[in-house]
Amino acid sequence: GESVGLHLPTLSVQEGDNSIINCAYSNSASDYFIWYKQESGKGPQFIIDIRSNMDKRQGQRVTVLLNKTVKHLSLQIAATQPGDSAVYFCAEKIYYNAGNMLTFGGGTRLMVKP
Amino acid sequence: DTAVSQTPKYLVTQMGNDKSIKCEQNLGHDTMYWYKQDSKKFLKIMFSYNNKELIINETVPNRFSPKSPDKAHLNLHINSLELGDSAVYFCASSQGSYNEQFFGPGTRLTVL
Repeated sequence: GESVGLHLPTLSVQEGDNSIINCAYSNSASDYFIWYKQESGKGPQFIIDIRSNMDKRQGQRVTVLLNKTVKHLSLQIAATQPGDSAVYFCAEKIYYNAGNMLTFGGGTRLMVKP
Repeated sequence: DTAVSQTPKYLVTQMGNDKSIKCEQNLGHDTMYWYKQDSKKFLKIMFSYNNKELIINETVPNRFSPKSPDKAHLNLHINSLELGDSAVYFCASSQGSYNEQFFGPGTRLTVL
């Protein structure tokens, strides 16, 4: 079936380095993607989103890249900090007539070493 | 001042019992959701309500019955709890169905 998935379950980076978290999706009809951050014991928190008519979108220290040709999404975090340690999820939005639902990938745990 | 709140945060109960989880949002949103997160962190939507009306029901057993008394509340009642129901349940809300969803802190349900 079609799904959203992640390549790496755990990513360990040194504080100050850049982090790249990858996500593959298989639903070619998906036109909206979101990255969420989930810290331990908390709910997912919106980080950044991107629509399929864009290839790149930048936020504060974060950049999302979308490659529709290979159905690949990535989240880049610049100058990774200890506070960035969390599980990161990509999600695609699937639209119904009356609304939408988010389909989440399996998550990648980012560990930042001091 | 919590945007989306859930109670209780932890719930431990015996198999076969009936339990409820409550969710409230003070963001003025008209759409609310319930998600289930399993032990492998996989998040899956269960229900979506818009203006107290059920919009999405993702093949959830009918032991799960959501109830929305008003736009600010979406409660989840679970009958005859089973071991497989153990998970973290997240409530979320959004303004309309096409906007960013805000998640609550989660309720960790453990069925013994």
